Amino acid sequence: AQSVTQLGSHVSVSEGALVLLRCNYSSSVPPYLFWYVQYPNQGLQLLLKYTTGATLVKGINGFEAEFKKSETSFHLTKPSAHMSDAAEYFCAVSEGGNTPLVFGKGTRLSVIA
Amino acid sequence: DTEVTQTPKHLVMGMTNKKSLKCEQHMGHRAMYWYKQKAKKPPELMFVYSYEKLSINESVPSRFSPECPNSSLLNLHLHALQPEDSALYLCASSLTGALGNTIYFGEGSWLTVV
Repeated sequence: AQSVTQLGSHVSVSEGALVLLRCNYSSSVPPYLFWYVQYPNQGLQLLLKYTTGATLVKGINGFEAEFKKSETSFHLTKPSAHMSDAAEYFCAVSEGGNTPLVFGKGTRLSVIA
Repeated sequence: DTEVTQTPKHLVMGMTNKKSLKCEQHMGHRAMYWYKQKAKKPPELMFVYSYEKLSINESVPSRFSPECPNSSLLNLHLHALQPEDSALYLCASSLTGALGNTIYFGEGSWLTVV
């Protein structure tokens, strides 16, 4: 069965500092992996996704993530945090078919001026 | 345009009321979803429709009744809800339910049961 673990329910960084949000997954088949962001009182917006091919995936707003099969990880990074990045971030895995998206518990990112 | 539109944005209903949440997409997507999200929690899958047929029901109580009138519309009928059903209800869609298709979410409907 597929599952997602996000390490750290809350991450706080200074404006301009590196953002690193951790995600580990388990899946019985090669997974498709996603990062979504949820700003306060809004729905979920796709940041990026990994399907096949290049393991370094670039997304919107300067975020990127690297799929590491050996470590079963899909960590999200951004070189320089901006105040507008403060939000809840969800990692998710999909095996498709009748097993739709499974979310991690989320990581709340705070950015300090 | 990747847009899923949900109405109403906010709904307050009593435990004896009957109300409906509505969702619409015009992206030609053939899979549509209802998720429930409680505060500070991830979304939880409730229902999946694939080609207008209910394909997944995650053991949701019968007081929640989904309906997919056509390929663009998805409704969630609510009846005799409990206060613990208060949550953000998210509609989503994807091209199909196949592996790797991106799921696009609406802004959600905030439901309060009093």
